[in-house]
Amino acid sequence: GAGVSQSPSNKVTEKGKDVELRCDPISGHTALYWYRQRLGQGLEFLIYFQGNSAPDKSGLPSDRFSAERTGESVSTLTIQRTQQEDSAVYLCASSLGTGQETQYFGPGTRLLVL
Amino acid sequence: GQQVMQIPQYQHVQEGEDFTTYCNSSTTLSNIQWYKQRPGGHPVFLIQLVKSGEVKKQKRLTFQFGEAKKNSSLHITATQTTDVGTYFCAGPRWGGYNKLIFGAGTRLAVHP
Repeated sequence: GAGVSQSPSNKVTEKGKDVELRCDPISGHTALYWYRQRLGQGLEFLIYFQGNSAPDKSGLPSDRFSAERTGESVSTLTIQRTQQEDSAVYLCASSLGTGQETQYFGPGTRLLVL
Repeated sequence: GQQVMQIPQYQHVQEGEDFTTYCNSSTTLSNIQWYKQRPGGHPVFLIQLVKSGEVKKQKRLTFQFGEAKKNSSLHITATQTTDVGTYFCAGPRWGGYNKLIFGAGTRLAVHP
């Protein structure tokens, strides 16, 4: 499809396990963002990739969180040793990367840590 | 630090009533964007405002960017049940190029 896709759509895991979330941005979009959204809350910025530049990791809440991006395509967000407070929807968005333009969001991954 | 604030946090209206949400930035913005998130869905871009004092309309939705480019509003005329959702405003982060800082959102409930 033409939109941002994310997988899995839902993930249930046990406390202490590692999880990997995947994002496929819109083809041609050089900018990619990860956000966390807790139930009923706003969007919490996590990390931003722009082309081949070093990612902006200023929003990552702890060193248990990391993300990678392969070139200008797929990105994975990894949460190690998950905690119950990590339960949230993790949203990925992409944009053209040429300026302050629209971000297109994926459907998100709903993570539940038991 | 830079903040984008939205009020009210939550509003419920009767179908047919008007609704307004306000967005205020601690800094001057080069532009402001509005997104809508339906319950269980993901944010979807609605509009971008760039010019001081700009007003844009989309059917029953009217968006306004303040003269000082620090505040914005979204007004919905004669709400419908399809308007239900959370409305977010977002502005560019200082020195953040493409990065946006989102307001906490205003959740709208419409009672038929």
